[in-house]
Amino acid sequence: DGGITQSPKYLFRKEGQNVTLSCEQNLNHDAMYWYRQDPGQGLRLIYYSQIVNDFQKGDIAEGYSVSREKKESFPLTVTSAQKNPTAFYLCASSTRRTTARNEKLFFGSGTQLSVL
Amino acid sequence: QQQVKQSPQSLIVQKGGISIINCAYENTAFDYFPWYQQFPGKGPALLIAIRPDVSEKKEGRFTISFNKSAKQFSLHIMDSQPGDSATYFCAASIKVRGSQGNLIFGKGTKLSVKP
Repeated sequence: DGGITQSPKYLFRKEGQNVTLSCEQNLNHDAMYWYRQDPGQGLRLIYYSQIVNDFQKGDIAEGYSVSREKKESFPLTVTSAQKNPTAFYLCASSTRRTTARNEKLFFGSGTQLSVL
Repeated sequence: QQQVKQSPQSLIVQKGGISIINCAYENTAFDYFPWYQQFPGKGPALLIAIRPDVSEKKEGRFTISFNKSAKQFSLHIMDSQPGDSATYFCAASIKVRGSQGNLIFGKGTKLSVKP
């Protein structure tokens, strides 16, 4: 059953704490992404990775960090520097082939992060 | 210039009616315009997409209309059903060095279809 698995579904963070959101894909996709979704704000890109051991900042990278040690995995750490972390976090992947006419993103089911 | 402006923010339609969601952009270099559908508690999923070389694309009850000169594109849902109740996002991207760049999303439209 191919797809993207995000865990946990709900996560609570205490003041000053770092938390890590997991994202695993078995679609053999090269590219992976993290988006943040706030009500009425659409999807904003946090970080993305087009290949293992490489990643780039998106539009709102401050207070977040990522790693891409394996093709299947792209964990996101929300650090204590992120002062407003409450949001719905979405992980996505795509094939990123250079000849692809349709850059389809496949999304996970998301993690809702809340601050205690 | 990198924004995609989506309207309305919310929409209520009667069952069987037509739902219309509009998006506008400024950057004429955008060359790929998808629509994503998101149900509560789930991630978005690609619904339909269009490139600027065509003015309309239809898939079942869903149609994208594209107006290149006005820099606008819209999603029409014919014969709207309660199961279509979801949040819809338009998006756009530019081809960068032979591959598609990152998607820029609109802020979303929450559609409710009343029985």
